[in-house]
Amino acid sequence: GQNIDQPTEMTATEGAIVQINCTYQTSGFNGLFWYQQHAGEAPTFLSYNVLDGLEEKGRFSSFLSRSKGYSYLLLKELQMKDSASYLCAVLDSNYQLIWGAGTKLIIKP
Amino acid sequence: GAVVSQHPSRVICKSGTSVKIECRSLDFQATTMFWYRQFPKQSLMLMATSNEGSKATYEQGVEKDKFLINHASLTLSTLTVTSAHPEDSSFYICSARHTGGHTEAFFGQGTRLTVV
Repeated sequence: GQNIDQPTEMTATEGAIVQINCTYQTSGFNGLFWYQQHAGEAPTFLSYNVLDGLEEKGRFSSFLSRSKGYSYLLLKELQMKDSASYLCAVLDSNYQLIWGAGTKLIIKP
Repeated sequence: GAVVSQHPSRVICKSGTSVKIECRSLDFQATTMFWYRQFPKQSLMLMATSNEGSKATYEQGVEKDKFLINHASLTLSTLTVTSAHPEDSSFYICSARHTGGHTEAFFGQGTRLTVV
Protein backbone atom coordinates (compact mmCIF):
# COMPACT_ATOMS: atom_id res chain seq x y z
CA GLY A 1 0.00 0.00 0.00
CA GLN A 2 0.93 3.65 -0.15
CA ASN A 3 2.11 5.31 2.99
CA ILE A 4 3.41 8.67 4.09
CA ASP A 5 4.75 9.18 7.60
CA GLN A 6 5.42 12.41 9.41
CA PRO A 7 5.46 13.27 13.11
CA THR A 8 2.12 14.16 14.62
CA GLU A 9 3.28 17.18 16.57
CA MET A 10 6.42 19.22 17.16
CA THR A 11 7.22 22.15 19.42
CA ALA A 12 9.85 24.82 18.80
CA THR A 13 10.85 28.22 20.11
CA GLU A 14 10.36 31.53 18.35
CA GLY A 15 13.52 32.49 16.46
CA ALA A 16 14.82 28.93 16.34
CA ILE A 17 15.06 26.36 13.52
CA VAL A 18 12.88 23.28 13.13
CA GLN A 19 13.04 20.35 10.72
CA ILE A 20 9.91 18.38 9.88
CA ASN A 21 10.60 14.97 8.36
CA CYS A 22 8.52 12.98 5.91
CA THR A 23 9.10 9.44 4.69
CA TYR A 24 7.08 7.87 1.93
CA GLN A 25 6.36 4.58 0.20
CA THR A 26 4.29 5.08 -2.92
CA SER A 27 3.61 3.41 -6.24
CA GLY A 28 5.79 5.61 -8.37
CA PHE A 29 6.99 9.12 -7.72
CA ASN A 30 6.34 12.34 -9.61
CA GLY A 31 7.23 14.86 -6.98
CA LEU A 32 6.75 15.77 -3.34
CA PHE A 33 4.88 18.79 -2.01
CA TRP A 34 4.83 20.59 1.29
CA TYR A 35 1.77 22.58 2.31
CA GLN A 36 1.01 24.78 5.29
CA GLN A 37 -2.45 24.68 6.83
CA HIS A 38 -3.68 26.98 9.55
CA ALA A 39 -6.58 25.76 11.65
CA GLY A 40 -9.89 26.10 9.82
CA GLU A 41 -8.26 27.15 6.58
CA ALA A 42 -7.35 25.43 3.33
CA PRO A 43 -3.74 24.33 2.73
CA THR A 44 -1.36 26.71 0.99
CA PHE A 45 1.53 25.64 -1.19
CA LEU A 46 5.06 25.88 0.22
CA SER A 47 7.37 23.82 -1.99
CA TYR A 48 7.71 21.16 -4.67
CA ASN A 49 10.71 18.80 -5.04
CA VAL A 50 11.12 16.30 -7.84
CA LEU A 51 14.93 16.04 -7.97
CA ASP A 52 17.26 15.16 -5.10
CA GLY A 53 18.66 18.02 -3.13
CA LEU A 54 17.75 21.15 -1.27
CA GLU A 55 15.37 23.84 -2.49
CA GLU A 56 15.58 27.09 -0.58
CA LYS A 57 12.84 29.69 -0.54
CA GLY A 58 13.32 32.43 2.02
CA ARG A 59 12.98 31.10 5.55
CA PHE A 60 11.71 27.75 4.28
CA SER A 61 13.79 25.02 2.62
CA SER A 62 12.79 21.57 1.45
CA PHE A 63 15.06 18.57 0.89
CA LEU A 64 14.44 15.38 -1.06
CA SER A 65 16.22 12.03 -1.29
CA ARG A 66 14.37 9.77 -3.71
CA SER A 67 16.58 6.75 -2.99
CA LYS A 68 15.69 6.97 0.70
CA GLY A 69 12.05 7.94 0.21
CA TYR A 70 12.69 10.90 2.49
CA SER A 71 12.07 14.60 2.60
CA TYR A 72 12.26 17.33 5.18
CA LEU A 73 10.96 20.85 5.52
CA LEU A 74 13.29 23.24 7.31
CA LEU A 75 11.90 26.39 8.86
CA LYS A 76 14.36 29.06 10.03
CA GLU A 77 13.90 32.13 12.22
CA LEU A 78 10.60 30.80 13.46
CA GLN A 79 7.77 33.26 13.95
CA MET A 80 4.59 32.81 15.94
CA LYS A 81 2.59 32.88 12.70
CA ASP A 82 4.40 29.69 11.63
CA SER A 83 2.26 27.78 14.12
CA ALA A 84 0.25 25.55 11.78
CA SER A 85 0.03 22.04 10.42
CA TYR A 86 2.51 21.09 7.72
CA LEU A 87 1.36 18.52 5.20
CA CYS A 88 3.63 16.33 3.09
CA ALA A 89 2.11 14.98 -0.12
CA VAL A 90 3.53 12.77 -2.89
CA LEU A 91 2.41 12.67 -6.50
CA ASP A 92 2.32 8.98 -7.43
CA SER A 93 2.67 7.27 -10.81
CA ASN A 94 -0.98 8.05 -11.63
CA TYR A 95 -0.46 11.70 -10.71
CA GLN A 96 -2.66 11.27 -7.67
CA LEU A 97 -1.69 13.21 -4.58
CA ILE A 98 -1.10 10.98 -1.56
CA TRP A 99 -1.30 12.97 1.68
CA GLY A 100 0.44 12.54 5.00
CA ALA A 101 -1.57 13.17 8.16
CA GLY A 102 0.26 16.42 8.80
CA THR A 103 2.58 17.68 11.52
CA LYS A 104 1.18 20.21 13.96
CA LEU A 105 3.91 22.72 14.75
CA ILE A 106 3.58 24.68 17.97
CA ILE A 107 5.76 27.77 18.37
CA LYS A 108 6.46 29.02 21.88
CA PRO A 109 7.74 32.50 22.74
CA GLY B 1 -0.41 31.67 -8.37
CA ALA B 2 -3.71 30.46 -9.69
CA VAL B 3 -6.89 31.12 -7.74
CA VAL B 4 -9.54 28.62 -6.82
CA SER B 5 -12.69 30.04 -5.29
CA GLN B 6 -14.96 27.88 -3.15
CA HIS B 7 -18.40 28.92 -1.95
CA PRO B 8 -19.92 29.00 0.61
CA SER B 9 -17.23 29.14 3.28
CA ARG B 10 -19.65 28.11 6.02
CA VAL B 11 -23.07 26.52 5.93
CA ILE B 12 -25.41 25.20 8.56
CA CYS B 13 -28.25 23.02 7.40
CA LYS B 14 -30.95 20.84 8.87
CA SER B 15 -30.67 17.09 8.81
CA GLY B 16 -32.28 15.67 5.68
CA THR B 17 -31.69 18.68 3.47
CA SER B 18 -29.18 19.03 0.62
CA VAL B 19 -26.26 21.42 0.34
CA LYS B 20 -24.39 22.47 -2.80
CA ILE B 21 -20.77 23.60 -2.69
CA GLU B 22 -19.20 25.34 -5.68
CA CYS B 23 -15.57 25.30 -6.72
CA ARG B 24 -14.34 27.65 -9.43
CA SER B 25 -10.93 28.08 -11.01
CA LEU B 26 -10.79 31.81 -11.64
CA ASP B 27 -7.79 32.30 -13.91
CA PHE B 28 -7.04 28.91 -15.40
CA GLN B 29 -8.84 25.96 -16.88
CA ALA B 30 -9.01 22.84 -14.78
CA THR B 31 -10.04 19.68 -16.56
CA THR B 32 -9.70 17.87 -13.25
CA MET B 33 -10.76 18.98 -9.81
CA PHE B 34 -10.52 17.10 -6.55
CA TRP B 35 -12.87 17.04 -3.61
CA TYR B 36 -11.52 16.37 -0.14
CA ARG B 37 -13.02 16.01 3.29
CA GLN B 38 -11.12 16.75 6.45
CA PHE B 39 -12.25 15.85 9.95
CA PRO B 40 -10.74 17.69 12.93
CA LYS B 41 -7.06 16.90 13.51
CA GLN B 42 -6.99 14.54 10.54
CA SER B 43 -5.45 14.77 7.12
CA LEU B 44 -7.20 15.48 3.87
CA MET B 45 -9.12 12.51 2.57
CA LEU B 46 -9.80 12.38 -1.14
CA MET B 47 -13.49 11.79 -1.81
CA ALA B 48 -13.61 11.98 -5.58
CA THR B 49 -11.91 13.21 -8.70
CA SER B 50 -14.08 15.37 -10.90
CA ASN B 51 -13.45 15.34 -14.64
CA GLU B 52 -14.95 17.94 -16.93
CA GLY B 53 -17.61 16.48 -19.14
CA SER B 54 -17.56 13.00 -17.66
CA LYS B 55 -18.55 11.13 -14.52
CA ALA B 56 -16.59 11.65 -11.34
CA THR B 57 -14.36 8.92 -9.97
CA TYR B 58 -15.18 8.17 -6.35
CA GLU B 59 -12.83 6.76 -3.76
CA GLN B 60 -13.69 3.53 -2.03
CA GLY B 61 -16.26 4.01 0.69
CA VAL B 62 -17.65 7.28 -0.67
CA GLU B 63 -21.30 7.05 -1.69
CA LYS B 64 -21.71 8.54 -5.14
CA ASP B 65 -25.48 8.90 -4.71
CA LYS B 66 -24.98 10.90 -1.55
CA PHE B 67 -22.15 13.11 -2.76
CA LEU B 68 -23.16 14.27 -6.22
CA ILE B 69 -20.43 15.84 -8.30
CA ASN B 70 -20.98 17.85 -11.45
CA HIS B 71 -18.11 19.26 -13.50
CA ALA B 72 -20.01 20.95 -16.29
CA SER B 73 -17.33 23.39 -17.43
CA LEU B 74 -13.57 23.82 -17.34
CA THR B 75 -13.85 26.30 -14.50
CA LEU B 76 -16.66 24.96 -12.29
CA SER B 77 -17.24 21.82 -10.28
CA THR B 78 -19.99 21.37 -7.70
CA LEU B 79 -20.41 18.95 -4.83
CA THR B 80 -23.91 18.36 -3.51
CA VAL B 81 -24.32 16.63 -0.19
CA THR B 82 -27.76 15.06 -0.40
CA SER B 83 -29.94 14.19 2.59
CA ALA B 84 -27.27 15.48 4.94
CA HIS B 85 -26.85 13.95 8.38
CA PRO B 86 -24.87 15.19 11.40
CA GLU B 87 -22.07 12.74 10.60
CA ASP B 88 -21.57 14.60 7.30
CA SER B 89 -20.48 17.65 9.26
CA SER B 90 -16.91 18.29 8.16
CA PHE B 91 -14.55 20.61 6.32
CA TYR B 92 -14.86 20.11 2.56
CA ILE B 93 -12.08 21.38 0.31
CA CYS B 94 -11.77 21.42 -3.45
CA SER B 95 -8.54 21.54 -5.37
CA ALA B 96 -7.55 21.97 -8.99
CA ARG B 97 -4.36 21.52 -10.96
CA HIS B 98 -3.26 22.79 -14.31
CA THR B 99 -3.31 20.15 -17.02
CA GLY B 100 -0.16 18.04 -17.03
CA GLY B 101 -0.33 17.13 -13.38
CA HIS B 102 3.15 18.29 -12.39
CA THR B 103 2.31 21.56 -10.76
CA GLU B 104 1.07 22.21 -7.29
CA ALA B 105 -2.54 21.83 -6.37
CA PHE B 106 -4.43 25.05 -5.77
CA PHE B 107 -7.03 24.86 -3.06
CA GLY B 108 -10.32 26.56 -2.53
CA GLN B 109 -10.93 28.24 0.82
CA GLY B 110 -12.87 25.27 2.11
CA THR B 111 -16.45 24.90 3.29
CA ARG B 112 -17.29 24.20 6.91
CA LEU B 113 -20.52 22.17 6.83
CA THR B 114 -22.50 21.74 10.03
CA VAL B 115 -25.60 19.56 9.93
CA VAL B 116 -27.96 20.02 12.86
